[in-house]
Amino acid sequence: GENVEQHPSTLSVQEGDSAVIKCTYSDSASNYFPWYKQELGKGPQLIIDIRSNVGEKKDQRIAVTLNKTAKHFSLHITETQPEDSAVYFCAATDSWGKFQFGAGTQVVVTP
Amino acid sequence: DTAVSQTPKYLVTQMGNDKSIKCEQNLGHDTMYWYKQDSKKFLKIMFSYNNKELIINETVPNRFSPKSPDKAHLNLHINSLELGDSAVYFCASSPGQHANTGELFFGEGSRLTVL
Repeated sequence: GENVEQHPSTLSVQEGDSAVIKCTYSDSASNYFPWYKQELGKGPQLIIDIRSNVGEKKDQRIAVTLNKTAKHFSLHITETQPEDSAVYFCAATDSWGKFQFGAGTQVVVTP
Repeated sequence: DTAVSQTPKYLVTQMGNDKSIKCEQNLGHDTMYWYKQDSKKFLKIMFSYNNKELIINETVPNRFSPKSPDKAHLNLHINSLELGDSAVYFCASSPGQHANTGELFFGEGSRLTVL
């Protein structure tokens, strides 16, 4: 089955700086890679996703890159703001649709 | 209108009791899920139903029994609760049969505390 590793587990950044979270996966058949943001007391919410036929995707201040050869993908948040503080999860689904989440990254943006 | 709603939000109970968590989605999705999030925030899938049929059943004790009366509802019943069952349980739904066909929409979570 799929195994997803996520680093770092915690990330503290100054407001306005960039944040990068990295994930690796094990199953070369994985073809869908979403990123979820979980605010305190809430359920995770999709913020961006990428499919295996695309190398990079951007949506305003967030971007995701995918390296299929190396089996890793990353989330980039630019110009961080206090409201970006949350737990971020990467995930990978294989062709059978089974979803594996990374362990999560607690991002703290300090003003 | 809440897309995925689950009740109760908080549940405190004694070891050995039986409890249920209910979930409803008004998105018209075909697939619903139960996830368990432990104290370290790790999210692990427990069950998945597509149109009332069980399609994913991870290694979960048989004290946990999901029930889907229709495709908009997926309830979770837990028998003989143990301390290790304390966690936040999330219900989710997605439009296709598989998670990779679309976004997972999560409920707000149900925090279960077993004393």
